[in-house]
Amino acid sequence: ETGVTQTPRHLVMGMTNKKSLKCEQHLGHNAMYWYKQSAKKPLELMFVYSLEERVENNSVPSRFSPECPNSSHLFLHLHTLQPEDSALYLCASSPGTGGDEPQHFGDGTRLSIL
Amino acid sequence: GDSVTQMEGPVTLSEEAFLTINCTYTATGYPSLFWYVQYPGEGLQLLLKATKADDKGSNKGFEATYRKETTSFHLEKGSVQVSDSAVYFCALRALYSSASKIIFGSGTRLSIRP
Repeated sequence: ETGVTQTPRHLVMGMTNKKSLKCEQHLGHNAMYWYKQSAKKPLELMFVYSLEERVENNSVPSRFSPECPNSSHLFLHLHTLQPEDSALYLCASSPGTGGDEPQHFGDGTRLSIL
Repeated sequence: GDSVTQMEGPVTLSEEAFLTINCTYTATGYPSLFWYVQYPGEGLQLLLKATKADDKGSNKGFEATYRKETTSFHLEKGSVQVSDSAVYFCALRALYSSASKIIFGSGTRLSIRP
């Protein structure tokens, strides 16, 4: 139990569907992150939120839309995805965005695009 | 720019063998260094960290020493177990940068034979 919960664990969707990934952290952290993990590639940082404000967006296509309604919840809204978007999407949190604070990861959502 | 290079896998060992997974980095200044582990079907978990030169991080029998002169942070374990089978990620965070600037290596898959 890492304190970071992601739902669903698995998601299969067509390219025209709209779905959302959810992340919830119970650690009292102020920063939350979305990563994409594809086979044989390093983790790709997608978005960073600090105190519910987006502080980083690493050139992610607009078909991925994050939402952070409060410091405990983070969503990733998906729309009109492509087959190459199939991957493991990992959420993480940390106490803040400074210092030597490691990130705590959820177990991820395995996304498959048909 | 900052980067992390780790040995390509997969690495396959017999139980009780000695393990070394090499990791070298390129960074300006003095980064903090981390090893994360990802067990099958799970997210990443922090395994150990070191924040300054000559520091040794250790956890669960794993060790890594921050070597500034060789810009390395190799992961070692004296006697591996089947339960150590996982993917191991070396990572760095540059000093004075935000936590969002954690840079991960591409991961090394470790398989232990009984």
